[in-house]
Amino acid sequence: DQQVKQNSPSLSVQEGRISILNCDYTNSMFDYFLWYKKYPAEGPTFLISISSIKDKNEDGRFTVFLNKSAKHLSLHIVPSQPGDSAVYFCAASSTSGGSYIPTFGRGTSLIVHP
Amino acid sequence: EAQVTQNPRYLITVTGKKLTVTCSQNMNHEYMSWYRQDPGLGLRQIYYSMNVEVTDKGDVPEGYKVSRKEKRNFPLILESPSPNQTSLYFCASSRSLGTVYGYTFGSGTRLTVV
Repeated sequence: DQQVKQNSPSLSVQEGRISILNCDYTNSMFDYFLWYKKYPAEGPTFLISISSIKDKNEDGRFTVFLNKSAKHLSLHIVPSQPGDSAVYFCAASSTSGGSYIPTFGRGTSLIVHP
Repeated sequence: EAQVTQNPRYLITVTGKKLTVTCSQNMNHEYMSWYRQDPGLGLRQIYYSMNVEVTDKGDVPEGYKVSRKEKRNFPLILESPSPNQTSLYFCASSRSLGTVYGYTFGSGTRLTVV
């Protein structure tokens, strides 16, 4: 049973346009969310995170939005660049009880065309 | 340079021949974890360790062993590898389970069991 779902396996976007990657979760105990970016032949790298006490977190071209009532988060990349082409993993964790262990989604492969 | 180092990067082995994939981090991180990445399945946690001598099963622990005798090292042991363990493996570490820091991942070990 997937607790973190990335329903789009792939996304293709033109350079300069907005990329929107979506993530849904089912566990209401999740209160911390992270996005990781992975290039081929490399390990995932941490990109951006958001706590459930916020609904938006921004870092340069990357913004993560959280809709707790819908159990949905999204990563916006504006403007998209060819170097953003990678697999993006959404991860969620619960900080209650000190667990924090993240659960990852299956990833979305983003291709940004020049 | 702060990093997680996995060895080897590539490994081809035969069914039943014991192998160890090493993982070492130089950041004095408490938390370490092993993941496998398979097409369409994303990142699945195998084992994790919250500190020295403290290890626990993740989502897919069958067929794997780990040990954490020192803080910096977290080897993954396959006592009797089988073809269904052919996968891309990642080791990760975190300063603690405080998720604001995110994970640092190694570059991966691509294992093929024939």
